[in-house]
Amino acid sequence: SQTIHQWPATLVQPVGSPLSLECTVEGTSNPNLYWYRQAAGRGLQLLFYSVGIGQISSEVPQNLSASRPQDRQFILSSKKLLLSDSGFYLCAWSVIHLNSPLHFGNGTRLTVT
Amino acid sequence: SQELEQSPQSLIVQEGKNLTINCTSSKTLYGLYWYKQKYGEGLIFLMMLQKGGEEKSHEKITAKLDEKKQQSSLHITASQPSHAGIYLCGADRRNSGTYKYIFGTGTRLKVLA
Repeated sequence: SQTIHQWPATLVQPVGSPLSLECTVEGTSNPNLYWYRQAAGRGLQLLFYSVGIGQISSEVPQNLSASRPQDRQFILSSKKLLLSDSGFYLCAWSVIHLNSPLHFGNGTRLTVT
Repeated sequence: SQELEQSPQSLIVQEGKNLTINCTSSKTLYGLYWYKQKYGEGLIFLMMLQKGGEEKSHEKITAKLDEKKQQSSLHITASQPSHAGIYLCGADRRNSGTYKYIFGTGTRLKVLA
């Protein structure tokens, strides 16, 4: 069966520090991969998605970047965190074919101080 | 404005009561997904609806998609404290062979014992 791992679960970082969140998927090949952010009291905001190694689509211009160095690995990064980067970050995957649901990791709670 | 609108934003019901959550799209829905999220955790996939008029049930939760495929409802019968959480509807937006998913802002459900 397929599983998705996301870490760390919580993170407290000072403003201006770098960020690296990692997500890996097991049990499937060539998944579509996604990073979402969920701010308190707001919905899910799509940040990045990837349909293959090295292929990244950015949805919102911002302080963050994403990379996909391996088929089932998705990384969210920042060189210098801002206070506004605080939030709940969720990684998700889906298979390529039509009408397949997204499957989510457990999320990372990021607090920038 | 949100492409997927959910109502109500929050709901408090007495245990044993029925309730309905609505999700309305400004565009035709090719795939509509319902998720449940407990605070600080990832989203759990509940059900997927594709065809106009389709209805699916899982235990005490029933989801429907209207004939025009622009509105969906989630109905919980005889609610229990275990039903508490945030319910989100999501949809995939076909775009050049890749599949971006969007979500409503969620409905926060509290069930009083």
